[in-house]
Amino acid sequence: DAGVIQSPRHEVTEMGQEVTLRCKPISGHDYLFWYRQTMMRGLELLIYFNNNVPIDDSGMPEDRFSAKMPNASFSTLKIQPSEPRDSAVYFCASSPRAPRPQYFGPGTRLTVT
Amino acid sequence: SQQGEEDPQALSIQEGENATMNCSYKTSINNLQWYRQNSGRGLVHLILIRSNEREKHSGRLRVTLDTSKKSSSLLITASRAADTASYFCATNSGSRLTFGEGTQLTVNP
Repeated sequence: DAGVIQSPRHEVTEMGQEVTLRCKPISGHDYLFWYRQTMMRGLELLIYFNNNVPIDDSGMPEDRFSAKMPNASFSTLKIQPSEPRDSAVYFCASSPRAPRPQYFGPGTRLTVT
Repeated sequence: SQQGEEDPQALSIQEGENATMNCSYKTSINNLQWYRQNSGRGLVHLILIRSNEREKHSGRLRVTLDTSKKSSSLLITASRAADTASYFCATNSGSRLTFGEGTQLTVNP
């Protein structure tokens, strides 16, 4: 298995632009998690899905953030409009069931100027 | 808020020495997990210990859990330069994990 796949690996955008991050979980995993990692706040859970359904989005910082999972093999995290404080590394992780070990993707490093 | 708090924040040792990292948490847990993150990479799961277990081993890793003190420790024996990474404990509440701030381990060759 290729593991969790994220794209792009790096994204540099200007403030106000829309940003879309993509994730392909490991096949057969029922859970998908989106995290954000910064030096100041550490690793924060933004939202997670079970069987494509959003279960807990309490970590989504504000309405500018949205996440979808249209099918079992694809999820997106969208920021519109982006702001410099959104600069971080965004990780996607999947798990066969919870609370089992989570498998992380390589992350997307987002820089908003 | 971070459920787990690792101690120390940074640890520097020589190759061959043992490294011990500690994690404290605040609420009841079902299990506690340890992850490693190499610079610029995603987190990698190391070991999971259930709340009814006190100690678990995996290769050079030894994890202990004391639920009465709400604490866990990760011991890496005979450390190698390749063990240089950040180590995070994570506690689960339902289906979600809450990660600590991590310990940055540097193993000098």
